[in-house]
Formats: sequence, C-alpha cells, structure tokens
Amino acid sequence: DAMVIQNPRYQVTQFGKPVTLSCSQTLNHNVMYWYQQKSSQAPKLLFHYYDKDFNNEADTPDNFQSRRPNTSFCFLDIRSPGLGDAAMYLCATSRGLNTEAFFGQGTRLTVV
Amino acid sequence: QQQVKQSPQSLIVQKGGIPIINCAYENTAFDYFPWYQQFPGKGPALLIAIRPDVSEKKEGRFTISFNKSAKQFSLHIMDSQPGDSATYFCAASKRSGNQFYFGTGTSLTVIP
Repeated sequence: DAMVIQNPRYQVTQFGKPVTLSCSQTLNHNVMYWYQQKSSQAPKLLFHYYDKDFNNEADTPDNFQSRRPNTSFCFLDIRSPGLGDAAMYLCATSRGLNTEAFFGQGTRLTVV
Repeated sequence: QQQVKQSPQSLIVQKGGIPIINCAYENTAFDYFPWYQQFPGKGPALLIAIRPDVSEKKEGRFTISFNKSAKQFSLHIMDSQPGDSATYFCAASKRSGNQFYFGTGTSLTVIP
C-alpha cells in the first residue's frame, strides 16, 4: 500500500495560473519535504515541515508556498507558474531529520 | 557547490554483471548515506543506507561499501538484471541537518 500519496500524478496548468499539488502520508511521520526534480537532475529541496514548523530553503523562489494543515497532509502552492517551473514535484516524509525518507510517486507539472 | 559528487553519469552492463556507482563527499558532518532507485516517471525509492560506523552493508543483491577516511561510498549491484535498469542517486545528510544532499544520478542500463 502506498504510504506517501501525491495527487494528481499529472497536472497541466496555464502560465501564471495558481496551482496546488497535494501530498498525504499514512506513516505519521513528523517531517514532510517538497522537492523539485527537473529532467535528468537530482531532486532539489524546496522546503520542509518539522511538525508545524516551516523551513524554507534560502534559494526557493517566493512563488512557491506550502501549507501543512495536519500531520497527514501537505500542499505545495505555486502562485504564478512560469515555464521554468515545469518539473516533477516530489513529496517525501521521514520520522525525523537525518532518518530514512520515503518518497511519493511525484506530480509531473506541465506549464502551457 | 555540489555536496555529493557521483560517478559515472551513465553505465551499461550485461546481465549478471556487477555495476559499481561511486560517490564522494567533503563534509565530515554527514553521517547518513542512503541510495535511492528511481524509475522513469516515479519517485525515488530507498534501496539501502549506511552510517559511518560500518564499512559495508548488504541487502539482497545490493551492497554499500563505505570508506570513511577517503570520504567515499559506493553501491554494488550483484548479478544485475534488466529490471535493475533505472537511475540511482546517492545522498548524504547530517545529524543536525534538515535535508538530503543528492548526487547527480547514474543512469544504469542492464542489457539482457
């Protein structure tokens, strides 16, 4: 059974139109991460939540926001998607920092 | 600056061969080294991980070798199969850290 579930698997959005990606977990993990992965590149951390504490990476554009309303769910909001934001977005969870992380299947975002 | 350097970028082996993927790091604060396997269009899946207190860890056909003094670690896949064809990422994290630093990935092709 999938433990980290991302929806949708594929998302097409228009240039500049806000879009929300969702992630849910059944592991009851404290930490939830959002990574951006472009073609043939390594995943790049955007931000993470440790419980309710939000931690943004210094180089994450302001265009990217996140919400974690409860332990199980985390959302990635892209306020004004640009063509350069087309990528695979990966959600991951871990029990704590510096412990094994479990990734979801990812959401492939296309910006038209 | 790439915190974890991975090589080779791509690798082709015959079925039954033993592909070896190498990673190197500089930050001695890293103390957790996972390997992830990623198939096209899927999220990374944790394969095997090691901490610096051991020099080798084996799980099934996958073995991590760890050389703390050289700050290098490698993944060996015994008796490789076509189904092992995927991209492999090494990663590292530190005890007080908040993220995994990924290598740039190795695209492995196992020829039947």
